[in-house]
Amino acid sequence: KAGVTQTPRYLIKTRGQQVTLSCSPISGHRSVSWYQQTPGQGLQFLFEYFSETQRNKGNFPGRFSGRQFSNSRSEMNVSTLELGDSALYLCASSTPTGDITDTQYFGPGTRLTVL
Amino acid sequence: GNSVTQMEGPVTLSEEAFLTINCTYTATGYPSLFWYVQYPGEGLQLLLKATKADDKGSNKGFEATYRKETTSFHLEKGSVQVSDSAVYFCALISSNDYKLSFGAGTTVTVRA
Repeated sequence: KAGVTQTPRYLIKTRGQQVTLSCSPISGHRSVSWYQQTPGQGLQFLFEYFSETQRNKGNFPGRFSGRQFSNSRSEMNVSTLELGDSALYLCASSTPTGDITDTQYFGPGTRLTVL
Repeated sequence: GNSVTQMEGPVTLSEEAFLTINCTYTATGYPSLFWYVQYPGEGLQLLLKATKADDKGSNKGFEATYRKETTSFHLEKGSVQVSDSAVYFCALISSNDYKLSFGAGTTVTVRA
């Protein structure tokens, strides 16, 4: 079974631009979560979607948004990029049933650099 | 809210040494507990998990036991290899909170 895929793997943007990251979950998984990883803050939760509904959102400004499509693929968008948005963005998929305690499987991440 | 505290390291060991990484947690309800590993330049990989008290998760020689009385989930391996060099994250998730809460991560370096 194919794992979680994320595209693109690397991105370089400049301040003020916007960016869209994509995540394709493991086949049959209906939950997708997004995390930001930085050396200073570690792994921080952004949001979680199940069957196109956002069930939880982390403490990030409104510039960070996401959505999930009917095929469970998910995108996250960051508008008006800031230098501090440089990070590894990780997507994880889980559970065909909606049980949030099921194991989350992570993709390789998208490395975003904001100049 | 939920939180995880783990020893941050870095930890440096010789090959075949014993490894312990401490992890304690605070959570409401009955969380599921996880150890994830991150190799350089890669995403997170599940190492092992436990879903209820006294469960022992194990994989690749690593073990961790869910201790409800001490709210702990310490990771152990009896004989490490150079290939075990990575960052290890303890994490939990509970049914009242739709997110994984991670510890800060412990960098482990194993020298030949």
